[in-house]
Amino acid sequence: DTGVSQDPRHKITKRGQNVTFRCDPISEHNRLYWYRQTLGQGPEFLTYFQNEAQLEKSRLLSDRFSAERPKGSFSTLEIQRTEQGDSAMYLCASSRRSASNEKLFFGSGTQLSVL
Amino acid sequence: DQQVKQNSPSLSVQEGRISILNCDYTNSMFDYFLWYKKYPAEGPTFLISISSIKDKNEDGRFTVFLNKSAKHLSLHIVPSQPGDSAVYFCAASVANFGNEKLTFGTGTRLTIIP
Repeated sequence: DTGVSQDPRHKITKRGQNVTFRCDPISEHNRLYWYRQTLGQGPEFLTYFQNEAQLEKSRLLSDRFSAERPKGSFSTLEIQRTEQGDSAMYLCASSRRSASNEKLFFGSGTQLSVL
Repeated sequence: DQQVKQNSPSLSVQEGRISILNCDYTNSMFDYFLWYKKYPAEGPTFLISISSIKDKNEDGRFTVFLNKSAKHLSLHIVPSQPGDSAVYFCAASVANFGNEKLTFGTGTRLTIIP
């Protein structure tokens, strides 16, 4: 169990540029989540996948955001035409579907700064 | 609409004493509650959880209490240690939805004073 891995750890970009983040979940976990955390707030849910299917998207996820999990393993989150308000920590988490509640395991996040 | 609230942004406790962190929720459909701990530049790590069918769950120095009628839960850490200094997030989910999507509070920064 190597944990949830996110890349890059930090990303600085100029407003208007596109950025893409990658998340590798724990290998046997079939559920993958993206959260966003801004300063002084708790993580906010963005979207989640079960295997390769994107089952829920938050209204926080504007049309500039797109997430994929093409083979049910790693996932990417792309932000197009970044804005300064997109500056945040983007967290990925994974869990294993089971009959009972399973906790989410989080990665260390990607800190995005939009200048 | 903040469905999970942590009204104390910060808390300082002497080493060896009890730390009590509080959390309130408004959504009566929440039936599973968790506490996560977060160090700077790291993701949240799971600490302890409780199902709504229980009112207490204990794991070593950590105990979570749930009062469903008051929609309130608390985390007790006894005794507090310097390594406990971190931001603590309360989170809740609705098990019937079939996923573990969590709604988080805004966090409480706990500082343990040696």
